[in-house]
Amino acid sequence: DAGVTQSPTHLIKTRGQQVTLRCSPKSGHDTVSWYQQALGQGPQFIFQYYEEEERQRGNFPDRFSGHQFPNYSSELNVNALLLGDSALYLCASSRVQGTEAFFGQGTRLTVV
Amino acid sequence: GQQLNQSPQSMFIQEGEDVSMNCTSSSIFNTWLWYKQDPGEGPVLLIALYKAGELTSNGRLTAQFGITRKDSFLNISASIPSDVGIYFCAGQPPSGGGADGLTFGKGTHLIIQP
Repeated sequence: DAGVTQSPTHLIKTRGQQVTLRCSPKSGHDTVSWYQQALGQGPQFIFQYYEEEERQRGNFPDRFSGHQFPNYSSELNVNALLLGDSALYLCASSRVQGTEAFFGQGTRLTVV
Repeated sequence: GQQLNQSPQSMFIQEGEDVSMNCTSSSIFNTWLWYKQDPGEGPVLLIALYKAGELTSNGRLTAQFGITRKDSFLNISASIPSDVGIYFCAGQPPSGGGADGLTFGKGTHLIIQP
């Protein structure tokens, strides 16, 4: 049973560029959430997708956007990258009726 | 963003000792979750708690959902070297349907001296 998978594992981008991160949820899960984890901090909720729609959003600017596909996989897009966007980006999947969220290994984004 | 108050920030213990850490919040939660994160990896779910007062074990780990719904603790008995890592508490607010994201603490860094 494959768990949550994310790609790529590492990424280096230049300030001002755009980035797309990808996530495949755990088998049987239909809800995907994205989190940003800065160094030494706990994960911060970005947004959640279910039925291909954004259901809830944390305190992140519109530069952060996402998408969910019919197969439940998801993308996180960040436009106009800032140095402060450097972080580990985590994807978590769950069943819509449950709250046990399972995380992927994350994508380490470095903005230079 | 909002974060839970998790303590202690770090713990230096001897192998074989018991460990206790806790998490508190100014607001109530419907669910408390405890995760462990190793360097360069995503958090791994250890224990999930769904009812106030609930006490749940997973091997040497025991966690409780506080009666006030504003706190939770995690105990690890007879620590071993592979317990090293960062432990996070996370809470799910009650605003319905599982639509909200989890709120995380800042983590407890567990270091075990052989």
